[in-house]
Amino acid sequence: GAGVSQSPSNKVTEKGKDVELRCDPISGHTALYWYRQSLGQGLEFLIYFQGNSAPDKSGLPSDRFSAERTGGSVSTLTIQRTQQEDSAVYLCASSLGVGGGSTDTQYFGPGTRLTVL
Amino acid sequence: DQQVKQNSPSLSVQEGRISILNCDYTNSMFDYFLWYKKYPAEGPTFLISISSIKDKNEDGRFTVFLNKSAKHLSLHIVPSQPGDSAVYFCASTTSGTYKYIFGTGTRLKVLA
Repeated sequence: GAGVSQSPSNKVTEKGKDVELRCDPISGHTALYWYRQSLGQGLEFLIYFQGNSAPDKSGLPSDRFSAERTGGSVSTLTIQRTQQEDSAVYLCASSLGVGGGSTDTQYFGPGTRLTVL
Repeated sequence: DQQVKQNSPSLSVQEGRISILNCDYTNSMFDYFLWYKKYPAEGPTFLISISSIKDKNEDGRFTVFLNKSAKHLSLHIVPSQPGDSAVYFCASTTSGTYKYIFGTGTRLKVLA
């Protein structure tokens, strides 16, 4: 079946502009995650959605970052007033959401490479 | 405080030989560990995992070893193939939670 998809694959923007990144999870997956990978760094957790529960936003680096998940499926990560340090690959993952750990492997999309000039 | 560490940023191995990638963790609550492989311009793909109730899990050419007392895990690839050239990330989590903590990755290059 189809995997996790993300769009756009690349985004170049000017400092101060807003950007929206989109994620389509695997059909039937109730859990959705956003991560960020900066150059030379590991994957940094940003936000987690599980069904209709309130999202875990503990990883968002500032209030310029926000995310929504509409209808329990598609998610949009929005970065307002982008800064150069926001340049990174933004990765989305989804999982069945059946309780975490060994039964809930996360599957990743190809990522969106964001460059802020 | 980096809870999951991959201290070797890169590794080169001859085709056919063994590749050993290492990962250390500090949080004793972690009880499930995963390895992901990432090719350029693609997302990480799940490779193999291990629960803390085991010390070894094998899947074809890939074997993961877990040493709980040392808080150390390793991924062995035997025999290594040029197509294995990628960045490998280890991740740790606690069963019943959803948050994975990733290492910074090791870039493996398998030389033909």
